[in-house]
Amino acid sequence: QQQVKQSPQSLIVQKGGISIINCAYENTAFDYFPWYQQFPGKGPALLIAIRPDVSEKKEGRFTISFNKSAKQFSLHIMDSQPGDSATYFCAASNGGSARQLTFGSGTQLTVLP
Amino acid sequence: ETGVTQTPRHLVMGMTNKKSLKCEQHLGHNAMYWYKQSAKKPLELMFVYNFKEQTENNSVPSRFSPECPNSSHLFLHLHTLQPEDSALYLCASSQWTGPYNEQFFGPGTRLTVL
Repeated sequence: QQQVKQSPQSLIVQKGGISIINCAYENTAFDYFPWYQQFPGKGPALLIAIRPDVSEKKEGRFTISFNKSAKQFSLHIMDSQPGDSATYFCAASNGGSARQLTFGSGTQLTVLP
Repeated sequence: ETGVTQTPRHLVMGMTNKKSLKCEQHLGHNAMYWYKQSAKKPLELMFVYNFKEQTENNSVPSRFSPECPNSSHLFLHLHTLQPEDSALYLCASSQWTGPYNEQFFGPGTRLTVL
C-alpha cells in the first residue's frame, strides 16, 4: 500500500515538445505529492508539489495534474528543453507522525536538441 | 556552505574496511534522513532522525550504523560491507514541524565496495 508506481522508465522528447510522466498510488492517506528533479552528480531537488485539494498546479513550464478518484498524478513539462534532461521522481507522503516520503522508481528524460 | 553538504563525494572501500559518511545541513532543519539510491530503483529510506532521535530504521542491516550528534550533523558508519551495498547514499533534511515534508537533499556519496 506504500508503493508509488511511476512510468515510463525512460522518455525521449524533441525540443519544444511536451514531456509527460505518470505516477499512481494506493494509499489514500497520502496528502502531499512532490516531484523531484535530479541531474547527474547531484541530489534530487524539489521541482513542484501538489496537495489533493486541487486538481492542477502550474509553475512556469511545469504542471502537476492530480486525479484523486483514480489515485494518479502526472508531471507535464511544456516546451521541453535540452536543459530539462534529468531523472524525475514522483513521491507521496502523509502527515502525522510518519511524514516519510515514498518515491517512485524514476524517469530518465532526454530532450533532443 | 549552504543547503545540505556531504563528504566524501566518492568512496571506495574493501569489504573489511570501516569508514564513515558525513552529512551537514545549513538550513536550520530538525529532521535528517539517510537514503540509498540504486540504479532504476526507488530511493530507499534507511534512517530518520527527528530532533536527534532515531524514529525509523527500515530494516537496515547492522553493518550500517547511523549517528546524529545534533540537528545539523548526521553520520553513517560503515563496516564489513558487501558489494551489493555499492550505491549512491543521499542525505536529506526537513523541517519536521512544517506542514509538508519538504526534504532537501545533499549531492550524495558514491560508494563502491570491492
